[in-house]
Amino acid sequence: AIQMTQSPSSLSASVGDRVTITCRASQGIRNDLGWYQQKPGKAPKLLIYGASNLQSGVPSRFSGSGSGTDFTLTISSLQPEDFATYYCLQDYNYPRMFGQGTKVEIK
Amino acid sequence: EVQLVESGGGLVQPGGSLRLSCAASGFTFSSYAVTWVRQAPEKGLEWVSAISGSGVSTYYADSVKGRFTISRDNSKNTLYLQMSSLRAEDTAVYYCAKQVAMVGGAADSWGQGTLVTVSS
Repeated sequence: AIQMTQSPSSLSASVGDRVTITCRASQGIRNDLGWYQQKPGKAPKLLIYGASNLQSGVPSRFSGSGSGTDFTLTISSLQPEDFATYYCLQDYNYPRMFGQGTKVEIK
Repeated sequence: EVQLVESGGGLVQPGGSLRLSCAASGFTFSSYAVTWVRQAPEKGLEWVSAISGSGVSTYYADSVKGRFTISRDNSKNTLYLQMSSLRAEDTAVYYCAKQVAMVGGAADSWGQGTLVTVSS
């Protein structure tokens, strides 16, 4: 199974900060990667698909990049509603594998 | 509007069985793969199983292979997860999610989840 290593596991940031989260696959997965946001007690929400495509309705401050094994989720200007946990998920093959998650907290 | 509604969760003893259901609406159910994802208390997301739109192809995480069976009834727009030989470590909120294609892709719509507790 392809392993997904996500970093950092948590970070503290202020409103307006630029935030970057990375995900590394144990082997190449083309651009078959999604980023998900989860708030406490809620279901995950798809933010980015195909590594860099913004899901409909998601604010443009979210962006994704990368291909092969290294991927990045960037929030250009952190907003209060962005404090949540973020996960990457490879959809290149089965079994699927999530990254460990990154909890974005208020500084 | 796409809707996914899970049901069937509850308290079950170790070694027991449970069947989860996920009722789908708002899209052509048979045209999309669907998946189960779980989250143990205070833990991250874990992918569990997926099934193609036709139901012909099924996939499982190693942690549930041989114990869980995914299926779907496209005439009823419903996804199932039959869970047997349940263990304490299967305790989690179970989410169903629609994928963007017949055989896979990202998960673009999610249910609200159903809690399964395995305990004596």
